[in-house]
Amino acid sequence: AQSVTQLGSHVSVSEGALVLLRCNYSSSVPPYLFWYVQYPNQGLQLLLKYTSAATLVKGINGFEAEFKKSETSFHLTKPSAHMSDAAEYFCAVRPRYGNKLVFGAGTILRVKS
Amino acid sequence: NAGVMQNPRHLVRRRGQEARLRCSPMKGHSHVYWYRQLPEEGLKFMVYLQKENIIDESGMPKERFSAEFPKEGPSILRIQQVVRGDSAAYFCASSPGPNTEAFFGQGTRLTVV
Repeated sequence: AQSVTQLGSHVSVSEGALVLLRCNYSSSVPPYLFWYVQYPNQGLQLLLKYTSAATLVKGINGFEAEFKKSETSFHLTKPSAHMSDAAEYFCAVRPRYGNKLVFGAGTILRVKS
Repeated sequence: NAGVMQNPRHLVRRRGQEARLRCSPMKGHSHVYWYRQLPEEGLKFMVYLQKENIIDESGMPKERFSAEFPKEGPSILRIQQVVRGDSAAYFCASSPGPNTEAFFGQGTRLTVV
């Protein structure tokens, strides 16, 4: 069975600082990996996805993530945090031939001015 | 092209009543997924439907919950005799086919009083 672990339920950074949100997955075969962002009382918006092409994936709003098979990780980064990045971020995994997304518990990002 | 539409956005029900949540997929999408987000948790898969068929209901509670996606009209998630523990955000996603990216709606927030 696939699973996702997001380390840190809350992360706080200063505006302009590096954002690093951690995600580790468990899967018997390399899956597809996703990062979603959820603003308060909103739905999920796809930030980026890994589907076995380049291991460094660039997404919207300046975010990127690197797939590291040896570490079973897919950490999300952004060089410089903006106030508008404050939201909850979810890492998710899906088998290549399947439809069910398995989500991590989420990380709430707080950006301090 | 409108996105995935869910209604109502907010629903309040008294214990013992029925809740009906509707999801209209994106145009051209015939696959629908329902997820539940309990407070301070990630999204959990409930059910996957294709027009007139339930493909995977492994995440559905055994009692009181049902889902359908008729040939015409939206997908419906029905919760009978609601209890306080059913209070959650229910998200619908749709995709054009199997093994393709799913797009999420903004969710229905159910509160049971």
